[in-house]
Amino acid sequence: DGGITQSPKYLFRKEGQNVTLSCEQNLNHDAMYWYRQDPGQGLRLIYYSQIVNDFQKGDIAEGYSVSREKKESFPLTVTSAQKNPTAFYLCASSIRLVLGTGELFFGEGSRLTVL
Amino acid sequence: AQSVTQLDSHVSVSEGTPVLLRCNYSSSYSPSLFWYVQHPNKGLQLLLKYTSAATLVKGINGFEAEFKKSETSFHLTKPSAHMSDAAEYFCVVSDSEGSYIPTFGRGTSLIVHP
Repeated sequence: DGGITQSPKYLFRKEGQNVTLSCEQNLNHDAMYWYRQDPGQGLRLIYYSQIVNDFQKGDIAEGYSVSREKKESFPLTVTSAQKNPTAFYLCASSIRLVLGTGELFFGEGSRLTVL
Repeated sequence: AQSVTQLDSHVSVSEGTPVLLRCNYSSSYSPSLFWYVQHPNKGLQLLLKYTSAATLVKGINGFEAEFKKSETSFHLTKPSAHMSDAAEYFCVVSDSEGSYIPTFGRGTSLIVHP
């Protein structure tokens, strides 16, 4: 079945450690996104990518990094510079960005807890 | 800049009664509008979308929404609530001014009482 796979589903990290969240899609979509979700704040965009080897910062990129070396993969690294990393992270994809009428397809999310 | 406001953070209904989740948007251009649903600790699923065709949009699970340009609203309705409808609902706007990046509302939690 086509879809988006995020791993791990749950992750615990000590302060000062970097952690990488995996996102893989087999939908052949060009655009991929990372969102952060906190209670009562909706989804906030961290990074997005329209094409391989290119990505742009979203509204809350500080303390995060991404790469897009393959069309299928868009991993997110939460660095030690992120001051409040405990959150639910959602990866999404869409056919392409410019059309603007496309549906977003979401993974099941990764819940990161910093101890 | 595009934005979306969900007017209620929580809505509580009894099973079998109508559901109304309110969403107002701000957009200088012809927007695309979406409603997504999220069950606890899960990803989001598209309920329905408006993309400048019919103003009354029908979605999955009996939900529908009406695009009202004069009121800049895109409210989500369902005639009769099910227990399984209990979830978080997000209104989303996207337009060319925002480079087509979807902007999410803060969400409305729908509570369904037996």
